[in-house]
Formats: sequence, C-alpha cells, structure tokens
Amino acid sequence: SAVISQKPSRDICQRGTSLTIQCQVDSQVTMMFWYRQQPGQSLTLIATANQGSEATYESGFVIDKFPISRPNLTFSTLTVSNMSPEDSSIYLCSVMTGNHEQFFGPGTRLTVL
Amino acid sequence: AQSVAQPEDQVNVAEGNPLTVKCTYSVSGNPYLFWYVQYPNRGLQFLLKYITGDNLVKGSYGFEAEFNKSQTSFHLKKPSALVSDSALYFCAVRDDNYGQNFVFGPGTRLSVLP
Repeated sequence: SAVISQKPSRDICQRGTSLTIQCQVDSQVTMMFWYRQQPGQSLTLIATANQGSEATYESGFVIDKFPISRPNLTFSTLTVSNMSPEDSSIYLCSVMTGNHEQFFGPGTRLTVL
Repeated sequence: AQSVAQPEDQVNVAEGNPLTVKCTYSVSGNPYLFWYVQYPNRGLQFLLKYITGDNLVKGSYGFEAEFNKSQTSFHLKKPSALVSDSALYFCAVRDDNYGQNFVFGPGTRLSVLP
C-alpha cells in the first residue's frame, strides 16, 4: 500500500486567484494521478502526473488552467488557476502500485467565492 | 473506451441482512475491476480487485465480489451488513487496451438500517 498526504485539506479562495495543492507519497511510485470529485458524486480524472515530463491531460482539462508539477517520484502539485466558483470541488491525488491497486489521498476541499 | 455503470443510486438494507451493490462494465480488452468505499468526508479506500484467476474475490471488511464475464458484471456482496458499512461505494474499471487510466462508476450510496 501507499500512504498519501495532501495539503491543504481545505481552502476558501476568491475568484481570480490560484491555489496550489501538494501531494506527498511515502514511497516512490511511477503512476500518480489528479482527480476532481463533486461531493457525493463520481471521480473525474484531470491528468496523469509524469515524472520528468509534462502531465497528460484528459479531455476538457488544459495545462493553463491546471498546471501540474512532478519533480520526483514521491511528490506532485496541482495548481487551480484563475479560479471561478465552478472550480469548487474536492481534488484528489492518487498513486498506482505495481499490483494494479490505486490509493488515494484524503482530498483537498476547495470553495471558490 | 471503457465505461462503468452502477444502476442503483441508493441501496437500503437492514443490519444483519446480505447486501449487494451492482456494477456492470464495458471494455474492449481484458478488464481490471475494482471496488472502493468512501466514508463521509474521507478519501477513497480500496476494498478489492479482480485482475485474473478466481472469479470470486475477497476483500477488506468481509466484502467479496464476483466477476461474471458473460454478464460483464462485478457485483459487490457481503453476507451480513453492518451499520458501519453505510457509505458511498464506487466500482472502477481499467481496460488493458487503454493504458493505466481508471474509469469510475457514478457511485452507490449504501444505507444499513439498524
């Protein structure tokens, strides 16, 4: 298994500002992902964070809005840029281990006013 | 592309009774199937997976799931429900033809009544 921490756990932000979410894993992992989840709803994959190269974004998500860094195999950041109320959501970091299991961080609950 | 359906938004069951949470999937290649549980204000927790081998897989907290290839289903089951099992349950699939991405179902809210 993997233990994942995220910072901040929650934040309230003003529209037009940006927030950077940090994800730290207790072991080196190759595959790291960022998801978005509306409370009580399903998860939507934003992007795969690639170590040493640009992130791979899913349809509907772009680098200018959600820049991602992955400086090493245990850490990644997701920035939500130029925020609007529609960006209010829970943002989840996850990693996949070698036996196909995916583990999730506790999430960052973002509210944009 | 892969997809997952969970036909029931809500499942109610009395404590001590068996529970089933349904999941069907669609893939072009071989499916890797997973169940996750999310308790209120918590992250997702891995319950169990099917990759290959026995169709009946056992997981955490007494849960099990049966892979049925002909019906493209992977229903989650537990013989005797506990009130503490009340949570949001997600089925997920990964298609080995489409890399590492998981697709999650819409979720089923399980309520176990005392």
